[in-house]
Amino acid sequence: KNEVEQSPQNLTAQEGEFITINCSYSVGISALHWLQQHPGGGIVSLFMLSSGKKKHGRLIATINIQEKHSSLHITASQLSDSASYICVVSLGGSGNTPLVFGKGTRLSVIA
Amino acid sequence: DAGITQSPRHKVTETGTPVTLRCHQTENHRYMYWYRQDPGHGLRLIHYSYGVKDTDKGEVSDGYSVSRSKTEDFLLTLESATSSQTSVYFCAIRSIAQDTQYFGPGTRLTVL
Repeated sequence: KNEVEQSPQNLTAQEGEFITINCSYSVGISALHWLQQHPGGGIVSLFMLSSGKKKHGRLIATINIQEKHSSLHITASQLSDSASYICVVSLGGSGNTPLVFGKGTRLSVIA
Repeated sequence: DAGITQSPRHKVTETGTPVTLRCHQTENHRYMYWYRQDPGHGLRLIHYSYGVKDTDKGEVSDGYSVSRSKTEDFLLTLESATSSQTSVYFCAIRSIAQDTQYFGPGTRLTVL
């Protein structure tokens, strides 16, 4: 059974800090996704990765397929970054193989 | 948002009553999913569908049934709601081309 582990579970950071959230998984995957969910809000897909690194604004996501590990980095964190970040892995291209979700990392950015 | 809507957005009901939640999509995606989200558990798959009349169980399917009579609608039914089914329910579609999922806005269900 594939497990997706995220760390830390909870994180508090000062505004402006550099933040890293980690995700580890146990089996081969076809892709890894990072989702964002604001408190009481909907779920938004931030990145889909199968190798290397992607960057959107202040967010950077990396993946190391050999080590079965991904990181989400937030540079110059802002209050609006306060949200839960969820790591999700895809085990294959078929929709019959559901995605496997981590339990999320709750980030609070404070002034 | 890939044209996904959920209805109702909020519902309060009593134990033992039937409840149906609707997920509607406008982009003709084949794969649709129902998840529940609870503190400490994250998102957990209830049921999913890979086509009209084709559905399968997820990890927390007990007490739930689904139906998909047309591509655009995926219904989740609680035959006899229990307090343990109080949760936020998310519908999602999967884009195979993009290998990603898009989520609906969620339905907050409270069973008293």
